[in-house]
Amino acid sequence: DTGVSQDPRHKITKRGQNVTFRCDPISEHNRLYWYRQTLGQGPEFLTYFQNEAQLEKSRLLSDRFSAERPKGSFSTLEIQRTEQGDSAMYLCASSRGRAFFGQGTRLTVV
Amino acid sequence: GQSLEQPSEVTAVEGAIVQINCTYQTSGFYGLSWYQQHDGGAPTFLSYNALDGLEETGRFSSFLSRSDSYGYLLLQELQMKDSASYFCAVRDRDDKIIFGKGTRLHILP
Repeated sequence: DTGVSQDPRHKITKRGQNVTFRCDPISEHNRLYWYRQTLGQGPEFLTYFQNEAQLEKSRLLSDRFSAERPKGSFSTLEIQRTEQGDSAMYLCASSRGRAFFGQGTRLTVV
Repeated sequence: GQSLEQPSEVTAVEGAIVQINCTYQTSGFYGLSWYQQHDGGAPTFLSYNALDGLEETGRFSSFLSRSDSYGYLLLQELQMKDSASYFCAVRDRDDKIIFGKGTRLHILP
């Protein structure tokens, strides 16, 4: 499978814990995007990369969120001190033209 | 900033035609995309318009009017499997992709 892959697919964590998600984009894609989606809503932009450079981080994103793409290939999204409001689907997409999405990581904070 | 408006729900009958509209405001516009998302699944790409006019891909067509900041997705010969959420998304001049809140399409037999 050469599509976008995300790991883990599901994560349940206790409030206050840190979590990290991984996204492996399609290999020749230089753009990588992170989105958050809650039930009944559209994907909400979080941040995006051009190769290893982070181009923009949403102003709605608190300092507890950080993302990296160290070698311009895979990317990680970390959430520190999770809160119940962080429960959502976290989607990664990569692009070299049209954007392709991974299956997402569903986070539940209890 | 950017904003996109699309109807929250649309209902149509199997075999019919339905149009989902999208209006947008953006600080710099590069193109308009449409995505389909089934419950529990990831968004999948349907179409992209960078220039004014109609793009046709099988039963799906997408239209763009840059001067009106308006586009639509047209679905023909509706099938039950088309029941899903449909999102318009703007690609801005910095290649950032911003999504609308989505239109839930209900199809009646």
